[in-house]
Amino acid sequence: AQKVTQAQTEISVVEKEDVTLDCVYETRDTTYYLFWYKQPPSGELVFLIRRNSFDEQNEISGRYSWNFQKSTSSFNFTITASQVVDSAVYFCALSEAGSGNTPLVFGKGTRLSVIA
Amino acid sequence: EAGVVQSPRYKIIEKKQPVAFWCNPISGHNTLYWYLQNLGQGPELLIRYENEEAVDDSQLPKDRFSAERLKGVDSTLKIQPAELGDSAVYLCASSLDSQETQYFGPGTRLLVL
Repeated sequence: AQKVTQAQTEISVVEKEDVTLDCVYETRDTTYYLFWYKQPPSGELVFLIRRNSFDEQNEISGRYSWNFQKSTSSFNFTITASQVVDSAVYFCALSEAGSGNTPLVFGKGTRLSVIA
Repeated sequence: EAGVVQSPRYKIIEKKQPVAFWCNPISGHNTLYWYLQNLGQGPELLIRYENEEAVDDSQLPKDRFSAERLKGVDSTLKIQPAELGDSAVYLCASSLDSQETQYFGPGTRLLVL
């Protein structure tokens, strides 16, 4: 069965610090997708990135970067030079695609507080 | 492009009362999802529609929950009767098809007293 673990429940950093949010996943499928979503206080889940299991290249988008390592079943998310607007709950999620597309399974989320 | 629209944003009801949530997906998205999010948890799927057909409702408590997606566009999720434990956020999401990225609405925050 698929499972996503976000061991960090809450993280607090001072503005301009870098912060890494950890995500470890479990799946028996060889074809799957990994996601990160951001949930600000307004409640809406905002899509950040989708990565398929065959693409282990790291990705950078502005201050955001993602490190996908199949060897450790991890898909970590780093925010460089954090800002107050980055304060939110961040969710990592997994979807197995090899056997007919299973629904998104989310971790419990990491609450990030960026202090000015 | 407009995102997923949900209403109401907030709802307070007394237990045993009925309640309904409405969702309008992104235009052209064939797949629609309803999720339940409890406090401090990630969302959990309740039901998935491919057009007007419910293709995965295994997690929907069918004794009190029902959903419909008439004409394969808007969807309604209903609870009757509501219980105290139903207090949560109900999120709607849509995607072009079941293989594509899901985009979420703002959710309906339900409080049952």
